[in-house]
Amino acid sequence: DQQVKQNSPSLSVQEGRISILNCDYTNSMFDYFLWYKKYPAEGPTFLISISSIKDKNEDGRFTVFLNKSAKHLSLHIVPSQPGDSAVYFCAASAHRDDKIIFGKGTRLHILP
Amino acid sequence: SQTIHQWPATLVQPVGSPLSLECTVEGTSNPNLYWYRQAAGRGLQLLFYSVGIGQISSEVPQNLSASRPQDRQFILSSKKLLLSDSGFYLCAWSSQTGKAFFGQGTRLTVV
Repeated sequence: DQQVKQNSPSLSVQEGRISILNCDYTNSMFDYFLWYKKYPAEGPTFLISISSIKDKNEDGRFTVFLNKSAKHLSLHIVPSQPGDSAVYFCAASAHRDDKIIFGKGTRLHILP
Repeated sequence: SQTIHQWPATLVQPVGSPLSLECTVEGTSNPNLYWYRQAAGRGLQLLFYSVGIGQISSEVPQNLSASRPQDRQFILSSKKLLLSDSGFYLCAWSSQTGKAFFGQGTRLTVV
């Protein structure tokens, strides 16, 4: 049973435009959400997170939006840069001290 | 600052051979520790989760086991590897901030 779903395996975006990566979750106990970026043959690196008490968190070019009623979150990257090409994982936990469940990832290609 | 070490980086093992992957964390105490596996098309699958010494939660029944003999040491083992055990194995730790930090991973190929 997949509790964190990333339904788009891949996404291509022109350099300079906005990249929007989507994530859905099924477990209503999740209250902390994270996005990670991963390059091949490396461990994922933390990008940005959001608590369920917020609906938006921004850090530089990265913004995460949370819609609790829809059990949906999204990561916006603007403007997209070539170095943003990677696999992006959405993750969630029931509380900050609980295990972290990841989605299957979305491969983002930034086109020149 | 906290660091996580995972080794080896790559490993080629024959079917039926044993496995031992080790992970250690420095600069923090009583971390939550994780083993994940990234297999093609399956994302980051949580295999084992530990909140303390000797406390292991198995998330996916399979051919693998985990142990935590010390607070900052997490070991992934198998007595007999299967072809399906091939994948990219990642160790991670987290604290009360809720963020997980990953090692560099081990590429395991079972032949």
